[in-house]
Amino acid sequence: GEDVEQSLFLSVREGDSSVINCTYTDSSSTYLYWYKQEPGAGLQLLTYIFSNMDMKQDQRLTVLLNKKDKHLSLRIADTQTGDSAIYFCADPTSGGYQKVTFGTGTKLQVIP
Amino acid sequence: DTGVSQDPRHKITKRGQNVTFRCDPISEHNRLYWYRQTLGQGPEFLTYFQNEAQLEKSRLLSDRFSAERPKGSFSTLEIQRTEQGDSAMYLCASSLSTGVNTGELFFGEGSRLTVL
Repeated sequence: GEDVEQSLFLSVREGDSSVINCTYTDSSSTYLYWYKQEPGAGLQLLTYIFSNMDMKQDQRLTVLLNKKDKHLSLRIADTQTGDSAIYFCADPTSGGYQKVTFGTGTKLQVIP
Repeated sequence: DTGVSQDPRHKITKRGQNVTFRCDPISEHNRLYWYRQTLGQGPEFLTYFQNEAQLEKSRLLSDRFSAERPKGSFSTLEIQRTEQGDSAMYLCASSLSTGVNTGELFFGEGSRLTVL
């Protein structure tokens, strides 16, 4: 079955850049996603990338996709304390969105 | 608030009891999903509805679990004869399959189950 892997924890200082990495196994998806979960809240879509793109930039967020290596990364520039959350990489299997597989999540801690 | 709502937010029960969770999706969304999340893990897919039809079930969904979406609107997830291993956050999400969309899932805040 589909497998999505992430490192569990990342700690950065406020103002630095954060890079969260993800590897996946199913390469048929049209989109790949990053979801954010703040304490006590549900998951929210943070950003996504179309599978035929290598990079997508959205304000402080940069998503890089290496399809050959099945590697996805999320870079947050000028990380703020409000960015502290758990970030999940997500891959819809078979491209049909019926079953989205989530990674284990990376907990980002921003030190003031 | 027109987001996904779940009820109850927290349920504490004794082992062997039955529990039921309710999810009200975003009204125009035709797809509804149940996920389970345990501490330190990502959400794990349980089941998925398109309108009222339950189209896929994970093998994680044992015979003690049943989900319904009788009129294609709200959904219920029932767990019979709860076990301590059922303790988790049960997440509901909805999405729209028609038109041009990215497949974004809209999640509720979850129903936390604690089985004593």
